[in-house]
Amino acid sequence: DGGITQSPKYLFRKEGQNVTLSCEQNLNHDAMYWYRQDPGQGLRLIYYSQIVNDFQKGDIAEGYSVSREKKESFPLTVTSAQKNPTAFYLCASSIGTDVYEQYFGPGTRLTVT
Amino acid sequence: KNQVEQSPQSLIILEGKNCTLQCNYTVSPFSNLRWYKQDTGRGPVSLTIMTFSENTKSNGRYTATLDADTKQSSLHITASQLSDSASYICVASGSNTGKLIFGQGTTLQVKP
Repeated sequence: DGGITQSPKYLFRKEGQNVTLSCEQNLNHDAMYWYRQDPGQGLRLIYYSQIVNDFQKGDIAEGYSVSREKKESFPLTVTSAQKNPTAFYLCASSIGTDVYEQYFGPGTRLTVT
Repeated sequence: KNQVEQSPQSLIILEGKNCTLQCNYTVSPFSNLRWYKQDTGRGPVSLTIMTFSENTKSNGRYTATLDADTKQSSLHITASQLSDSASYICVASGSNTGKLIFGQGTTLQVKP
Protein backbone atom coordinates (compact mmCIF):
# COMPACT_ATOMS: atom_id res chain seq x y z
CA ASP A 1 0.00 0.00 0.00
CA GLY A 2 1.94 3.01 -1.29
CA GLY A 3 1.63 6.57 -0.15
CA ILE A 4 2.48 9.08 2.51
CA THR A 5 1.72 8.53 6.16
CA GLN A 6 1.65 11.09 8.93
CA SER A 7 1.33 10.35 12.58
CA PRO A 8 -0.34 11.00 14.84
CA LYS A 9 -3.61 12.32 13.39
CA TYR A 10 -4.21 14.52 16.45
CA LEU A 11 -1.55 15.84 18.82
CA PHE A 12 -1.94 17.87 21.99
CA ARG A 13 0.92 19.62 23.78
CA LYS A 14 1.45 22.15 26.50
CA GLU A 15 3.00 25.49 25.65
CA GLY A 16 6.78 25.44 25.96
CA GLN A 17 7.20 21.82 24.87
CA ASN A 18 8.86 20.73 21.65
CA VAL A 19 6.93 18.21 19.55
CA THR A 20 7.93 16.11 16.52
CA LEU A 21 5.54 15.25 13.70
CA SER A 22 6.26 12.16 11.66
CA CYS A 23 6.13 11.89 7.85
CA GLU A 24 7.00 8.72 5.94
CA GLN A 25 6.66 7.92 2.22
CA ASN A 26 7.22 4.73 0.25
CA LEU A 27 6.83 6.33 -3.20
CA ASN A 28 10.60 6.56 -3.74
CA HIS A 29 10.24 10.33 -4.11
CA ASP A 30 13.32 12.54 -3.79
CA ALA A 31 11.52 15.73 -2.72
CA MET A 32 9.55 16.18 0.48
CA TYR A 33 7.75 19.19 1.92
CA TRP A 34 6.10 20.46 5.09
CA TYR A 35 3.18 22.89 4.93
CA ARG A 36 1.07 24.59 7.53
CA GLN A 37 -2.66 25.24 6.98
CA ASP A 38 -4.66 27.77 9.00
CA PRO A 39 -8.39 28.52 8.59
CA GLY A 40 -9.12 30.88 5.69
CA GLN A 41 -5.50 30.87 4.47
CA GLY A 42 -3.65 29.05 1.76
CA LEU A 43 -1.05 26.43 2.59
CA ARG A 44 2.29 27.93 3.57
CA LEU A 45 5.62 26.21 3.04
CA ILE A 46 7.68 25.57 6.18
CA TYR A 47 10.61 23.49 4.92
CA TYR A 48 11.42 21.36 1.91
CA SER A 49 14.07 18.82 0.99
CA GLN A 50 15.14 17.87 -2.52
CA ILE A 51 17.56 15.14 -1.50
CA VAL A 52 18.73 13.20 1.54
CA ASN A 53 20.80 15.21 4.04
CA ASP A 54 19.76 18.50 2.47
CA PHE A 55 16.83 20.84 3.19
CA GLN A 56 15.88 24.48 2.71
CA LYS A 57 13.74 26.94 4.62
CA GLY A 58 10.36 27.86 3.22
CA ASP A 59 8.36 31.00 3.88
CA ILE A 60 7.63 30.40 7.57
CA ALA A 61 10.56 28.33 8.93
CA GLU A 62 11.03 30.26 12.18
CA GLY A 63 10.32 28.07 15.19
CA TYR A 64 10.54 24.82 13.20
CA SER A 65 13.31 22.35 12.45
CA VAL A 66 13.60 19.30 10.18
CA SER A 67 15.96 16.47 9.30
CA ARG A 68 16.32 14.26 6.24
CA GLU A 69 18.53 11.33 7.22
CA LYS A 70 16.59 8.84 5.09
CA LYS A 71 14.88 9.21 1.73
CA GLU A 72 11.62 7.89 3.18
CA SER A 73 11.41 10.11 6.26
CA PHE A 74 11.13 13.86 6.84
CA PRO A 75 10.18 14.62 10.47
CA LEU A 76 9.20 18.12 11.55
CA THR A 77 9.90 19.46 15.04
CA VAL A 78 7.77 22.32 16.30
CA THR A 79 9.86 24.08 18.91
CA SER A 80 8.83 26.27 21.82
CA ALA A 81 10.07 29.25 19.78
CA GLN A 82 7.10 28.94 17.40
CA LYS A 83 4.73 31.67 18.60
CA ASN A 84 1.47 30.21 17.29
CA PRO A 85 1.95 26.47 16.71
CA THR A 86 -1.69 25.35 16.75
CA ALA A 87 -2.49 24.41 13.13
CA PHE A 88 -3.04 21.61 10.62
CA TYR A 89 0.31 20.31 9.33
CA LEU A 90 0.61 18.63 5.95
CA CYS A 91 3.52 16.67 4.54
CA ALA A 92 3.94 16.13 0.80
CA SER A 93 6.34 14.44 -1.57
CA SER A 94 7.12 14.53 -5.28
CA ILE A 95 9.50 12.91 -7.75
CA GLY A 96 11.20 16.26 -8.17
CA THR A 97 10.43 19.93 -8.07
CA ASP A 98 8.74 22.14 -10.70
CA VAL A 99 5.94 20.51 -12.72
CA TYR A 100 5.87 17.23 -10.83
CA GLU A 101 2.74 16.43 -8.87
CA GLN A 102 2.91 16.72 -5.09
CA TYR A 103 1.22 13.96 -3.13
CA PHE A 104 -0.06 14.93 0.30
CA GLY A 105 -0.32 12.94 3.50
CA PRO A 106 -3.47 12.91 5.66
CA GLY A 107 -2.19 15.66 7.96
CA THR A 108 -1.60 16.11 11.69
CA ARG A 109 -3.70 18.53 13.70
CA LEU A 110 -1.57 20.01 16.47
CA THR A 111 -3.16 21.82 19.39
CA VAL A 112 -0.96 23.66 21.88
CA THR A 113 -2.51 25.05 25.06
CA LYS B 1 3.97 39.89 -5.13
CA ASN B 2 3.13 36.32 -6.16
CA GLN B 3 -0.39 35.46 -5.07
CA VAL B 4 -3.48 33.42 -5.93
CA GLU B 5 -7.02 34.63 -5.33
CA GLN B 6 -10.06 32.37 -5.49
CA SER B 7 -13.76 33.15 -5.73
CA PRO B 8 -16.27 32.62 -4.39
CA GLN B 9 -15.05 31.90 -0.87
CA SER B 10 -17.93 29.46 -0.41
CA LEU B 11 -20.71 28.02 -2.52
CA ILE B 12 -23.83 25.93 -1.92
CA ILE B 13 -25.47 24.04 -4.80
CA LEU B 14 -28.05 21.30 -5.19
CA GLU B 15 -27.04 17.79 -6.14
CA GLY B 16 -26.98 17.32 -9.90
CA LYS B 17 -26.28 20.97 -10.69
CA ASN B 18 -23.13 22.32 -12.33
CA CYS B 19 -20.84 24.95 -10.88
CA THR B 20 -17.71 26.91 -11.77
CA LEU B 21 -14.98 28.05 -9.41
CA GLN B 22 -12.66 30.92 -10.31
CA CYS B 23 -8.96 31.54 -9.75
CA ASN B 24 -6.81 34.59 -10.55
CA TYR B 25 -3.06 34.45 -10.14
CA THR B 26 -0.18 36.89 -10.33
CA VAL B 27 2.75 34.48 -10.37
CA SER B 28 5.53 35.48 -12.73
CA PRO B 29 7.28 33.91 -14.52
CA PHE B 30 4.53 31.31 -14.65
CA SER B 31 5.04 27.56 -15.05
CA ASN B 32 1.88 25.64 -14.23
CA LEU B 33 -1.54 25.79 -12.58
CA ARG B 34 -2.99 23.06 -10.37
CA TRP B 35 -6.34 22.33 -8.80
CA TYR B 36 -6.62 20.23 -5.65
CA LYS B 37 -9.63 18.84 -3.79
CA GLN B 38 -9.41 18.73 0.00
CA ASP B 39 -11.96 16.93 2.13
CA THR B 40 -12.40 18.25 5.67
CA GLY B 41 -9.55 17.11 7.91
CA ARG B 42 -7.71 15.35 5.06
CA GLY B 43 -4.77 16.13 2.79
CA PRO B 44 -5.35 17.71 -0.65
CA VAL B 45 -5.68 15.42 -3.66
CA SER B 46 -4.60 16.55 -7.12
CA LEU B 47 -7.33 17.01 -9.76
CA THR B 48 -5.43 18.60 -12.66
CA ILE B 49 -2.08 20.13 -13.57
CA MET B 50 -1.84 22.48 -16.60
CA THR B 51 1.27 24.07 -18.04
CA PHE B 52 1.15 27.56 -19.56
CA SER B 53 0.59 26.09 -23.05
CA GLU B 54 -2.51 24.10 -22.10
CA ASN B 55 -6.02 25.61 -22.24
CA THR B 56 -8.10 22.86 -20.71
CA LYS B 57 -7.76 19.56 -18.90
CA SER B 58 -10.41 17.17 -17.64
CA ASN B 59 -10.54 14.60 -14.87
CA GLY B 60 -13.91 12.87 -14.95
CA ARG B 61 -16.60 15.42 -14.06
CA TYR B 62 -13.95 18.05 -13.33
CA THR B 63 -12.76 20.34 -16.15
CA ALA B 64 -10.13 23.00 -15.59
CA THR B 65 -9.42 25.85 -18.00
CA LEU B 66 -6.43 28.17 -18.14
CA ASP B 67 -6.00 31.56 -19.81
CA ALA B 68 -2.33 32.47 -19.37
CA ASP B 69 -2.87 35.87 -21.00
CA THR B 70 -5.41 37.04 -18.44
CA LYS B 71 -3.88 34.90 -15.68
CA GLN B 72 -7.19 33.24 -14.90
CA SER B 73 -8.27 29.66 -14.37
CA SER B 74 -11.58 28.02 -13.66
CA LEU B 75 -12.72 24.63 -12.41
CA HIS B 76 -16.06 23.41 -13.73
CA ILE B 77 -17.86 20.60 -11.93
CA THR B 78 -20.54 18.82 -13.90
CA ALA B 79 -23.55 17.00 -12.43
CA SER B 80 -22.43 17.54 -8.84
CA GLN B 81 -22.59 14.76 -6.26
CA LEU B 82 -22.73 14.87 -2.47
CA SER B 83 -19.14 13.60 -2.43
CA ASP B 84 -18.03 16.77 -4.23
CA SER B 85 -18.53 18.66 -0.96
CA ALA B 86 -15.00 19.80 -0.14
CA SER B 87 -12.56 22.68 -0.40
CA TYR B 88 -11.08 23.28 -3.86
CA ILE B 89 -7.64 24.83 -3.92
CA CYS B 90 -6.02 26.61 -6.86
CA VAL B 91 -2.21 26.54 -6.93
CA ALA B 92 0.16 28.40 -9.25
CA SER B 93 3.83 27.57 -9.72
CA GLY B 94 6.62 29.86 -10.82
CA SER B 95 9.08 28.66 -13.42
CA ASN B 96 12.15 30.13 -11.74
CA THR B 97 11.65 28.51 -8.33
CA GLY B 98 9.16 25.68 -8.76
CA LYS B 99 7.58 26.98 -5.57
CA LEU B 100 3.82 26.48 -5.22
CA ILE B 101 1.61 29.48 -4.37
CA PHE B 102 -1.68 28.32 -2.82
CA GLY B 103 -5.02 30.08 -2.94
CA GLN B 104 -7.19 30.15 0.16
CA GLY B 105 -9.67 27.71 -1.37
CA THR B 106 -13.36 27.67 -2.25
CA THR B 107 -15.58 25.63 0.07
CA LEU B 108 -18.27 23.81 -1.90
CA GLN B 109 -21.29 22.26 -0.23
CA VAL B 110 -23.56 20.03 -2.30
CA LYS B 111 -27.01 19.53 -0.81
CA PRO B 112 -29.48 16.75 -1.66
